Amino acid sequence: AQKVTQAQTEISVVEKEDVTLDCVYETRDTTYYLFWYKQPPSGELVFLIRRNSFDEQNEISGRYSWNFQKSTSSFNFTITASQVVDSAVYFCALKGSNYKLTFGKGTLLTVNP
Amino acid sequence: ETGVTQSPTHLIKTRGQQVTLRCSSQSGHNTVSWYQQALGQGPQFIFQYYREEENGRGNFPPRFSGLQFPNYSSELNVNALELDDSALYLCASSLMGQGHYEQYFGPGTRLTVT
Repeated sequence: AQKVTQAQTEISVVEKEDVTLDCVYETRDTTYYLFWYKQPPSGELVFLIRRNSFDEQNEISGRYSWNFQKSTSSFNFTITASQVVDSAVYFCALKGSNYKLTFGKGTLLTVNP
Repeated sequence: ETGVTQSPTHLIKTRGQQVTLRCSSQSGHNTVSWYQQALGQGPQFIFQYYREEENGRGNFPPRFSGLQFPNYSSELNVNALELDDSALYLCASSLMGQGHYEQYFGPGTRLTVT
């Protein structure tokens, strides 16, 4: 069975603060894929990043960075210098050897001006 | 925008009725997945269609059924609606094949069952 846990239900920050969203996953598959999606109030899930289980290289893309640690089964997401437009629900998701995405319950990020 | 479209945007139905939701996948994609997202929860996988056949199914009863058409568009049908079926229904398209795993989501259909 696959499971994704996002322990932070809600986070509130002031604009320009850095914020890290936590994700812990469980899977018995040796090959799997991890994702982060953003869901603004409009409802559409926006794909942000995919990481393969065999690629632990962390990445920075503009204000976004990701920290994948296989040893602790964590895939955390950091926004540097947050902006009001970053306010959304962020979902971590896992795809194992089967066909489906398993999502966490999401973290509501509110960035206040 | 992902190029995935869904219709209708909103829908209100009465318990016991039947509903059909529609999805057009992104150009070049051959796989469609459907998810149910209850308020305050993450999306839950309903099923996936590939080459017009059901390719996998989550923990949903048989009254949830689907179709995929030759142009890769898809329908989700729900019979005998229950109050708990009220949710945002999301369609995601993807390309089945080596190295392609991202699913791109449409804007969703918000279903309210009264």
